[in-house]
Amino acid sequence: GAVVSQHPSWVICKSGTSVKIECRSLDFQATTMFWYRQFPKQSLMLMATSNEGSKATYEQGVEKDKFLINHASLTLSTLTVTSAHPEDSSFYICSAAPHLARGEQFFGPGTRLTVL
Amino acid sequence: AQTVTQSQPEMSVQEAETVTLSCTYDTSESDYYLFWYKQPPSRQMILVIRQEAYKQQNATENRFSVNFQKAAKSFSLKISDSQLGDAAMYFCAYKDAGGTSYGKLTFGQGTILTVHP
Repeated sequence: GAVVSQHPSWVICKSGTSVKIECRSLDFQATTMFWYRQFPKQSLMLMATSNEGSKATYEQGVEKDKFLINHASLTLSTLTVTSAHPEDSSFYICSAAPHLARGEQFFGPGTRLTVL
Repeated sequence: AQTVTQSQPEMSVQEAETVTLSCTYDTSESDYYLFWYKQPPSRQMILVIRQEAYKQQNATENRFSVNFQKAAKSFSLKISDSQLGDAAMYFCAYKDAGGTSYGKLTFGQGTILTVHP
């Protein structure tokens, strides 16, 4: 149980285009989902917290207009990287929290974004 | 703000031996959770072990155990009988039990563990 999927697993796009990444909780409902960014051999950096039915909460320094997050249902959150540039190339990971009181977050397999 | 520090960027261990990964954290909260996550080369984050701050007993999951020292704000991970599949990057993580940072994980810098056959 507690499986989180991400799609796509790998995407290459041209500079200036937008890319959408989906995060789905497959066997549980997630009131809260989190989006992280990770550079090679570095830690996870929290970008935003996504709550179903409300606006996402962004971490300081994260551009809201560049990284659009939508959490339209209890099983799906999307991250759209708008007008992507090479510096947006990174590994993006989502996680979902089914029972916040227990503390666990379950992570998706990640999406590797390369912007040419 | 809470911080998590892993002072060992890299560690290595011989197969079947024991290794301990260090983690310290800083918080003013009394109720919180601590975690160790494993990230193998596939980059899938896997929960290794979880500790609740109000529990004095150290958590154990098969070959993995922790040494939780609340007063010292220390949370180390011991891996016994190391296996080749244990090779990964390990992250220590902290989460408040409540409050405005409800749900957010704070991660340490990570420790790359190499297992030698």
